[in-house]
Amino acid sequence: DAGVTQSPTHLIKTRGQQVTLRCSPKSGHDTVSWYQQALGQGPQFIFQYYEEEERQRGNFPDRFSGHQFPNYSSELNVNALLLGDSALYLCASSLVGGTADYGYTFGSGTRLTVV
Amino acid sequence: QKEVEQNSGPLSVPEGAIASLNCTYSDRGSQSFFWYRQYSGKSPELIMSIYSNGDKEDGRFTAQLNKASQYVSLLIRDSQPSDSATYLCAVNRQGGKLIFGQGTELSVKP
Repeated sequence: DAGVTQSPTHLIKTRGQQVTLRCSPKSGHDTVSWYQQALGQGPQFIFQYYEEEERQRGNFPDRFSGHQFPNYSSELNVNALLLGDSALYLCASSLVGGTADYGYTFGSGTRLTVV
Repeated sequence: QKEVEQNSGPLSVPEGAIASLNCTYSDRGSQSFFWYRQYSGKSPELIMSIYSNGDKEDGRFTAQLNKASQYVSLLIRDSQPSDSATYLCAVNRQGGKLIFGQGTELSVKP
């Protein structure tokens, strides 16, 4: 049973560029949440997708956008990259129903470095 | 005030000792509470969940919840060097998102 898979694992981008990160949820999960984790900090909620719609959004600018596909996989797009966007980006999936009552299963993350 | 607060540590304990990790939260409506373990450079791994006041034990781990005090803790008995990691407290906000604390770094010395 595949867990949450994320790609790519590492990425280096230049300021001002755009990046797309991808996530496939665990089998049986239909909700995908994205988190940004800066070095030495806890994960910060970016947004959550359920039934192909953005359900909730954290305190992130519009440069951060996402999408969920009919197979529940998801993409995170970041435009006009800033140095401060350098972080570990985590995708998390949760059980059917779109709740986090039973916690999340995290993917291995994408390490984004902006230079 | 942060929604979920943890002591950042580092917390250092000798091998075999009990490690005690603490977390407070601000939203009284929170119903579900989680502890994640994160090794350096890796993603968080769920180790404990607790939903009711009191203690919940799983092997060497015990989670404690006190909703009146808005406090949740994690005890690790017989700490091992392999327990050295950052421990993240997470709280389920209404609407289905988890809010994380900043994490407590635990170091278990042989």
